[in-house]
Formats: sequence, structure tokens, C-alpha cells
Amino acid sequence: QVQLQQSGPGLVKPSQILSLTCDISGDSVSSNSGAWSWIRQSPSRGLEWLARTYYRSEWHNDYALSLRGRIIITPDTTRNQVSLQLNSVTPEDTAVYYCAGGSGAFNIWGQGTMVTVSS
Amino acid sequence: EVVMTQSPVTLSVSPGERATLSCRASESISVNLAWYQHKPGQTPRLLIYDASTRATGVPARFSGSGSGTEFTLTINSLQSEDVAVYYCQQYYNWLIFGGGTKVEI
Repeated sequence: QVQLQQSGPGLVKPSQILSLTCDISGDSVSSNSGAWSWIRQSPSRGLEWLARTYYRSEWHNDYALSLRGRIIITPDTTRNQVSLQLNSVTPEDTAVYYCAGGSGAFNIWGQGTMVTVSS
Repeated sequence: EVVMTQSPVTLSVSPGERATLSCRASESISVNLAWYQHKPGQTPRLLIYDASTRATGVPARFSGSGSGTEFTLTINSLQSEDVAVYYCQQYYNWLIFGGGTKVEI
């Protein structure tokens, strides 16, 4: 049974970096059939896909157009986890952040992390 | 970028009645569409993938249909536990969610 366990701070100051980690159990981050994404949910935007990483003989990273240049997703094969880094955050980035597994539809979700951007 | 439009924004249904939710894609996405149920304080739950295939453990009262640009999620005999926001998501071209439909009783 695949499980995702998220960790990271719940409060980030404006202009600083939001960093979250997702530990994967029951599957491998470098599975040739898997893919791992970060998604966020806010009252104003609903669900918003942010980034994805997957391994198909080499690593591929995809990013939402609206966040490109500000976001980085990083797989860690040693720790079997996926990390998210979002730079230069503003209050607009306040949301519940989820990691999720699935190469198309997302059938596995982490527990969610409420991140508030405030000074 | 494919735009996903869900309607209505809010749907009020009596218990035992049928709820019909729509999702429209701005261009054809074949059957690369999923539906999710999201209750407050909970993790989103995959209901349907490939437009019409129920995910493991999803009750048979949930069904999906459609292809191309028009899709429907039907909830037969709505129960109080079905109150939630429902999202469609396409995975044909990038990964895009619709804006959601709130189902209330």
C-alpha cells in the first residue's frame, strides 16, 4: 500500500522560500510507471496542479506555466522522497499543499500541509 | 493550455435524487479525464478516471461519461455523505483541474 507523508513549515514570510517534503512508502520515487506531483488548494483557486517529476530512463520535471521560474521539484532517490521549493512567496501562495501520486489521475494523496504566507 | 470549465458552480439536490455535474474542455482531451470528491478537512478522493472507470472502492452510484470535450459525473440517489466539492481534471495535455462544483443538500 502506497503512502505519502508530508512535512514542512506551516508559516512562511513574504518573499521567502516555501519548502515541503513528501516521503514515499510502498513505492519507489524512481518507479518507471509512477509520477509524483505537488498540488495546492485554496478557496479562491480550487485545486491547482503545480509540478510533477517522473523517471523514464531519465528524470523529467514539469511545471505549471503560471509558476515557471519560481518553482522547483526535486526527487531524492536516497531518501525516496520528493521535495517542493517555491521561491518569492506572497500571500497569494497561502494554500493547503498536497503531494500526490499518479501518472495521469492522482490516486494517492498526502495528508496535506496548510501553508500560510504572512509576516 | 486546455481550459476546464465546470457547471454549475453550486448544485442543490434533495437526498435520494440524482445529481448531474458537467465538465467541458476547451479542446478535445479524448477520455483523459478524472473526477475527484473533496470534503472539507479531508484529502481529495479519486472517483473516476479515464472518463468512466470507477476507482477502487467507489460506490456504484457514482458514474462518469463523455469523451472529447464534454463530460458528466452522475451521482444517483444522492446521500448526505456526498456533500462535497467535485473537481474534474484532464491529463491529456498537461494536468489541469476545473474550478469545481459544490454539491449541497
